[in-house]
Amino acid sequence: NAGVTQTPKFRVLKTGQSMTLLCAQDMNHEYMYWYRQDPGMGLRLIHYSVGEGTTAKGEVPDGYNVSRLKKQNFLLGLESAAPSQTSVYFCASTQQGSQPQHFGDGTRLSIL
Amino acid sequence: AQSVTQLDSQVPVFEEAPVELRCNYSSSVSVYLFWYVQYPNQGLQLLLKYLSGSTLVKGINGFEAEFNKSQTSFHLRKPSVHISDTAEYFCAVRNSGYSTLTFGKGTMLLVSP
Repeated sequence: NAGVTQTPKFRVLKTGQSMTLLCAQDMNHEYMYWYRQDPGMGLRLIHYSVGEGTTAKGEVPDGYNVSRLKKQNFLLGLESAAPSQTSVYFCASTQQGSQPQHFGDGTRLSIL
Repeated sequence: AQSVTQLDSQVPVFEEAPVELRCNYSSSVSVYLFWYVQYPNQGLQLLLKYLSGSTLVKGINGFEAEFNKSQTSFHLRKPSVHISDTAEYFCAVRNSGYSTLTFGKGTMLLVSP
């Protein structure tokens, strides 16, 4: 049972490049989330989804887009990467919004 | 969204000493609270949760937390820490829309011999 799997684990981009981060969960969870973690800032919610085909903005959505075409996958896209998007990105999932979230191991993204 | 304040960014402690990590929250709805732990280069793992019932919640690895509604606090405690408890600890509260959590900025627990 893999839980929440994030791909890739590390990536270096140049300013202006685009990329997609993939999150896959095998727990049949309805809710999925993308966070970014920066030193001293805790976790901040970027976007989330309450079910297949739905997405919603979180606290820091600017510069990111998401899609949830399949229940098990939640994609985070950066259309034109900026140095301010250098961060560690975490995906999480849960069956209900009130229940604990299960986290992936993170993607370390550096933008030069 | 609700807010969570973790009063200490870093807590140094000696091995086998007790520790308390402080968390205060604001919430206008029925309160669901969580403590997560993050070991270096890993994701977050659930330590314990308060959804309802007894205000003293026991979690994994010997940690416990007490929900105090009047003081809007949910402090995490352990009577005797180990070197392996060195990690960052996050407090989180459910938001009023019921779909998301707000996390505190984290407290780094540094356990030394």
